[in-house]
Amino acid sequence: DADVTQTPRNRITKTGKRIMLECSQTKGHDRMYWYRQDPGLGLRLIYYSFDVKDINKGEISDGYSVSRQAQAKFSLSLESAIPNQTALYFCATSDGPSGNEQFFGPGTRLTVL
Amino acid sequence: AQSVTQPDIHITVSEGASLELRCNYSYGATPYLFWYVQSPGQGLQLLLKYFSGDTLVQGIKGFEAEFKRSQSSFNLRKPSVHWSDAAEYFCAVGGDRSYIPTFGRGTSLIVHP
Repeated sequence: DADVTQTPRNRITKTGKRIMLECSQTKGHDRMYWYRQDPGLGLRLIYYSFDVKDINKGEISDGYSVSRQAQAKFSLSLESAIPNQTALYFCATSDGPSGNEQFFGPGTRLTVL
Repeated sequence: AQSVTQPDIHITVSEGASLELRCNYSYGATPYLFWYVQSPGQGLQLLLKYFSGDTLVQGIKGFEAEFKRSQSSFNLRKPSVHWSDAAEYFCAVGGDRSYIPTFGRGTSLIVHP
């Protein structure tokens, strides 16, 4: 079984709808992250969490919110989706600081019409 | 602030040819440096990382990278490319207070038979 899972894998929705993307991990890591990937722009950090009680905004948090329900679960919400939020979204985990590698989920492809 | 530049958006090589993907970073101290690979439809997977010590780092799948402080570079190399190496490659730099890496925009590798 995959260590980092994301649901759904694909989603098409309409402008103004509320969307939740979910991430679960079995690696036992404290740190979890949400990124979005757009062609030519690489990965940009949306939110990150160092533990259940610690949530931090990344470089592009506007229009997004998150919830860390447990050490293993980190959800990303789009309260009112807009077309420029169409992107590939990745969840990642890491085991503490000191530059440890990140482990990525398979991604969720979101299309907002 | 830390930043990464991957100057090449696309690289095309013939199968069996050598490969070098460029990465330049900006960071005030000794950085943590990473190369990740993203195969089509997949999440990112760590190829190799540099924290300290030997400046030539060996990774998975026959890849290596060399840290050159004087040039602020961490170029990825492979002596003989296989068709399965076609993918998107991301360089990342970490080391600031939060140790969250910053990703470059990626280089797309195309392999011709």
